[in-house]
Amino acid sequence: AQSVTQLGSHVSVSEGALVLLRCNYSSSVPPYLFWYVQYPNQGLQLLLKYTSAATLVKGINGFEAEFKKSETSFHLTKPSAHMSDAAEYFCAVSDTGGFKTIFGAGTRLFVKA
Amino acid sequence: GAVVSQHPSWVICKSGTSVKIECRSLDFQATTMFWYRQFPKQSLMLMATSNEGSKATYEQGVEKDKFLINHASLTLSTLTVTSAHPEDSSFYICSAGPQGINIQYFGAGTRLSVL
Repeated sequence: AQSVTQLGSHVSVSEGALVLLRCNYSSSVPPYLFWYVQYPNQGLQLLLKYTSAATLVKGINGFEAEFKKSETSFHLTKPSAHMSDAAEYFCAVSDTGGFKTIFGAGTRLFVKA
Repeated sequence: GAVVSQHPSWVICKSGTSVKIECRSLDFQATTMFWYRQFPKQSLMLMATSNEGSKATYEQGVEKDKFLINHASLTLSTLTVTSAHPEDSSFYICSAGPQGINIQYFGAGTRLSVL
């Protein structure tokens, strides 16, 4: 079975500071890993995905994530936070065939001026 | 990227009525679509897998007679909440992905409020 654990339900950073959102996964098969962002009352927007190619994945809006198999982690980072980054972020895992996606509990990012 | 359209975006209904939510893949065919439910300030919980031309596969604990899923074509899946009650109020989101590409595109979601 697959699962995702996001450490920290809330993260607060100052504008311009580093953003680090943590995600650990569990999977019995090579996983596909994703980060999504959700703004209030909206659907999910894909930030980036890992599909067994490069371990460092670059996404939209300056975000990137590194797949570390030894640590079963897929943390999301952004060098400099912007006010518009304030949102809910979900880490997700799926298997290689069925596209069934399991989501983490989410981390709400607050950005302080 | 691919587009998944969900309709309606917001619906308010009286207790006991049924509500139908549509999920369409606009520029690709999807033999499989997924339905999720999201409670306020919580994560998305997979409800069921919608399979074109066959019965949906429901996750444990999801009442299949309560949440009817129909996937009659390669671009449309519908979720009908039957005899809705206030506890069914939630945010419902669908997803679909082009065949051969392991990525899901999500609809904008439907907020259901049952009075």
